[in-house]
Amino acid sequence: LAKTTQPISMDSYEGQEVNITCSHNNIATNDYITWYQQFPSQGPRFIIQGYKTKVTNEVASLFIPADRKSSTLSLPRVSLSDTAVYYCLVGEREYGNKLVFGAGTILRVKS
Amino acid sequence: EPEVTQTPSHQVTQMGQEVILRCVPISNHLYFYWYRQILGQKVEFLVSFYNNEISEKSEIFDDQFSVERPDGSNFTLKIRSTKLEDSAMYFCASSGTSGVKETQYFGPGTRLLVL
Repeated sequence: LAKTTQPISMDSYEGQEVNITCSHNNIATNDYITWYQQFPSQGPRFIIQGYKTKVTNEVASLFIPADRKSSTLSLPRVSLSDTAVYYCLVGEREYGNKLVFGAGTILRVKS
Repeated sequence: EPEVTQTPSHQVTQMGQEVILRCVPISNHLYFYWYRQILGQKVEFLVSFYNNEISEKSEIFDDQFSVERPDGSNFTLKIRSTKLEDSAMYFCASSGTSGVKETQYFGPGTRLLVL
């Protein structure tokens, strides 16, 4: 499994765009990049997944450069309720595979 | 939207006692998992379960742990003789065979405190 590196924490203000970058230098050809969100005292929640270029859904965008050695989760116009831990996971996309979580990035959104 | 449910939400037990944590996965899902998160630490994989047997387990999942799917809806984690270090939040998750792979749906967790 590719090792991932994320900032330990980030602070932002309501209404700003937040970009969280994850480094995964040893990503393998078959690996996908998946981001999860975890609120305090809750289980993680899937946000977005991608393989290359850009993926967008109703919650976030995921930017992956051509070399795939990093990825950036972009949260548009954050609100206080986006305060959470964000995890970047890298691994093969197979049904039934375990998820390997790192320490994640604590995002604090202030008013 | 369907969701994974877990009971109890909190459990306090004495060291050496057995505990059973219960989960109801999303009904059409086929893969089931248990994870745990010690306070302030990362989420750790314990075990995955498919087709009525364990698919994979971590080093944490020793002989004191067992899982069972006793009927068509429940998925349980049993800790036979709890230790102080078993105190953690335990999350059940499930996933299906459609949609985005590696999308696991997590329950709200059971907070286990071993005294």
